Parts: sequence; C-alpha cells; structure tokens
Amino acid sequence: AQSVSQHNHHVILSEAASLELGCNYSYGGTVNLFWYVQYPGQHLQLLLKYFSGDPLVKGIKGFEAEFIKSKFSFNLRKPSVQWSDTAEYFCAVAKLRDDKIIFGKGTRLHILP
Amino acid sequence: DAGVIQSPRHEVTEMGQEVTLRCKPISGHNSLFWYRQTMMRGLELLIYFNNNVPIDDSGMPEDRFSAKMPNASFSTLKIQPSEPRDSAVYFCASSPGPGINSPLHFGNGTRLTVT
Repeated sequence: AQSVSQHNHHVILSEAASLELGCNYSYGGTVNLFWYVQYPGQHLQLLLKYFSGDPLVKGIKGFEAEFIKSKFSFNLRKPSVQWSDTAEYFCAVAKLRDDKIIFGKGTRLHILP
Repeated sequence: DAGVIQSPRHEVTEMGQEVTLRCKPISGHNSLFWYRQTMMRGLELLIYFNNNVPIDDSGMPEDRFSAKMPNASFSTLKIQPSEPRDSAVYFCASSPGPGINSPLHFGNGTRLTVT
C-alpha cells in the first residue's frame, strides 16, 4: 500500500544537538512534500514545503529539509535544537494525481534542557 | 483572521449516542478537510470538500460517519451511533486552494471520548 513512513516515533535529544527526522514515501509520480509541527496543546502548523526547484528547502525556526527523489525521501534537519523545539513533527505528501494529502504517523521530539 | 474554528474542544459521550463536530473554515478558503488523529494510526484523512462539494470520502471509516458542508463557512462531522473506538482527536483544516498546492490551516481539534 502507498504510504508515508516516519522512521522514528520518539526522539530524545539534548539542547544544541543536531536533528534529523526521516520521512519516506512510496508513491510514484509527482508529489508535493510538507513538514508540519504540532507544539504541545496546539494545532498543526506548516514548518516548510517543497513543490519544485531547489531540493533543499528552508523553513521557519532554522529547520530545513532535503528532497531526494531517487530515495523517495524528505528528511527534516536542524543543526542545533532548542528546548522550544519539543513537539510532534509530521511529514505529509500530496499526490498530484489524486489531489490528496497523506500524513505520516508523526515523530515526537523531546528536547532535554 | 480568527483561523479555523472547531467546536466543541472536548466531547465526552456514551456509546450509542450521536456526536456532531463543527468547523468554521477561514473565510475565502475553498477546500476543507476532516482528519482523525490517534496514537495507533496517526493522522488519517476522513473526507475533504472543495467548493462545498465532497471530493473524496474514502477515508470515512463506516456508515456511522457522515460529513456535510452546507455552505462555504460551515461543516459538520457526525457520528451516529458512536463507539468507544471512535475516541480520538478530530481536526478540521482549510486551505485557499486544492490542498495539494496550498498549505493546510488546522483548527485546534475536538478531543472526543466515547465511554
């Protein structure tokens, strides 16, 4: 079945550590890619998106993600995390032929102060 | 801009009762989505509307679930009869165009508990 996979369900890091959250999808064809973040007690909000062009996209709060088409991946990175980055992170894929957005199951990130 | 507004924030009901969740999208947004979030399955798309018309309801789990969008500023998700396994957080989201090209704006969700 076509899906969006986030490899890590729960990640714990210390402040200033580097972060990489994995995301792979199994759809063929053209896709748009997103990362959303859900801070504790809040709704999901957009972190960054990729539609076309430079496969390395910059988002808010120092986050970036790289689209590697050959690997069907869109991993999220941040060189130095902060305690305020504690949240749940969702990768999402929009299949252009289906006009549908599918979310991964999310990764809970906990940053130790 | 008040954002996407959902009500109620919390709903506790007994098995067998009817539950109605409400959503007011951002004014001017043409697409509206209903998602369900659980620990086991993450965020699942239930149904989405474009210009008030249901486009894809393949994610609606059973006939017990129904959704309507009578006008551009209001949508409901109804569960009748409710069951304990329906307990989840239900999110409504809207976007200015088709969701594939436009980021989604989410509401704060409705936490449903069916006992």
